[in-house]
Amino acid sequence: DGGITQSPKYLFRKEGQNVTLSCEQNLNHDAMYWYRQDPGQGLRLIYYSQIVNDFQKGDIAEGYSVSREKKESFPLTVTSAQKNPTAFYLCASRPRDRSTKQYFGPGTRLTVT
Amino acid sequence: GIQVEQSPPDLILQEGANSTLRCNFSDSVNNLQWFHQNPWGQLINLFYIPSGTKQNGRLSATTVATERYSLLYISSSQTTDSGVYFCAVPSYTGTASKLTFGTGTRLQVTL
Repeated sequence: DGGITQSPKYLFRKEGQNVTLSCEQNLNHDAMYWYRQDPGQGLRLIYYSQIVNDFQKGDIAEGYSVSREKKESFPLTVTSAQKNPTAFYLCASRPRDRSTKQYFGPGTRLTVT
Repeated sequence: GIQVEQSPPDLILQEGANSTLRCNFSDSVNNLQWFHQNPWGQLINLFYIPSGTKQNGRLSATTVATERYSLLYISSSQTTDSGVYFCAVPSYTGTASKLTFGTGTRLQVTL
């Protein structure tokens, strides 16, 4: 959906290197989320943040780290501790109201060799 | 945690045909989202539907929360409908909400 940008679209890294994926939103949404998608699979939650300077682990947080220093930005770092980092990564955001509706960015496809 | 199952896993249709996709969930929910993931990976919001029926052009969705399922109807399918359809339901930790996704239905519409 419009208003959420992820960069870059494709990213290639060598094994053992940390890599940071960018997610920016201009929707003034409070909550932001990171998901991972493997080929032929659904989305799994990595980390989420309800407000600035606060975030929680999702279902598959091991090997990942995040920060939330600004409302509009929620970068995800894939560390060398992540055993299978090659995947499609999607960022989402949600407004502060009671709705649980999430809006998604276009995704970053990470390949680690 | 809540479990979400979708059926069928794969569906091939000829252009113009109708189809019904199903989403079952294991616990009561107060809303549900349907998404279409296009061939480039973009997740497009189709419906946000707590209960009842909503329609948007050739697509409509019905959620029966008391029976823990939702249906997505696609009528007069077109090749541009191809892709993967996901349903997702929320769960809560305090005031924080997060979505649990089903495994999706992969739809291919042929000429």
